[in-house]
Amino acid sequence: DADVTQTPRNRITKTGKRIMLECSQTKGHDRMYWYRQDPGLGLRLIYYSFDVKDINKGEISDGYSVSRQAQAKFSLSLESAIPNQTALYFCATSDLQGRLDEQFFGPGTRLTVL
Amino acid sequence: RKEVEQDPGPFNVPEGATVAFNCTYSNSASQSFFWYRQDCRKEPKLLMSVYSSGNEDGRFTAQLNRASQYISLLIRDSKLSDSATYLCVVNRDTGFQKLVFGTGTRLLVSP
Repeated sequence: DADVTQTPRNRITKTGKRIMLECSQTKGHDRMYWYRQDPGLGLRLIYYSFDVKDINKGEISDGYSVSRQAQAKFSLSLESAIPNQTALYFCATSDLQGRLDEQFFGPGTRLTVL
Repeated sequence: RKEVEQDPGPFNVPEGATVAFNCTYSNSASQSFFWYRQDCRKEPKLLMSVYSSGNEDGRFTAQLNRASQYISLLIRDSKLSDSATYLCVVNRDTGFQKLVFGTGTRLLVSP
């Protein structure tokens, strides 16, 4: 089984809809991240969490919110989706105790906003 | 200017060729450096870290030049399975784990 899972893997939605992307991990890592990837722009950090009580904005947090329900779960919400939020979204984890700089990514969620 | 810049490619090479990718970064305070590999429509995965002394892992060699703020990746004896996008990644602060990703260089290895 995958260590970092994301649901759904693909989603098509309409402008104005509320969408939640979910991430779960079995690696036991404290730190979790949400990124989006767009052609020509690379991966950009949306939000990150260093533990259940610690949530921080990344470089492109506008239009997004997150919830860290447990150490293993980190959800990303789009309260009112817009077309320029069409992208590939990745969740990632890292281990405070282990190799600090290596992040482990989930398989991604491809989101299309019409 | 992007904080991490890479030539997007694609680099088209035959099997067995040697290919080199370059990357520059603008933040001189950057602490650590990596190459990640991303297959088409898949998640990025760590390929190797990059150290000032240079490091090698099989057919892959990574180099860092802090004075020039330049990182390189050399792949020898290219295999078809090396076809992927290679992401140059920089961590500004080892305590913070905020990775900055380049847009990637695409490699296509042909028979």
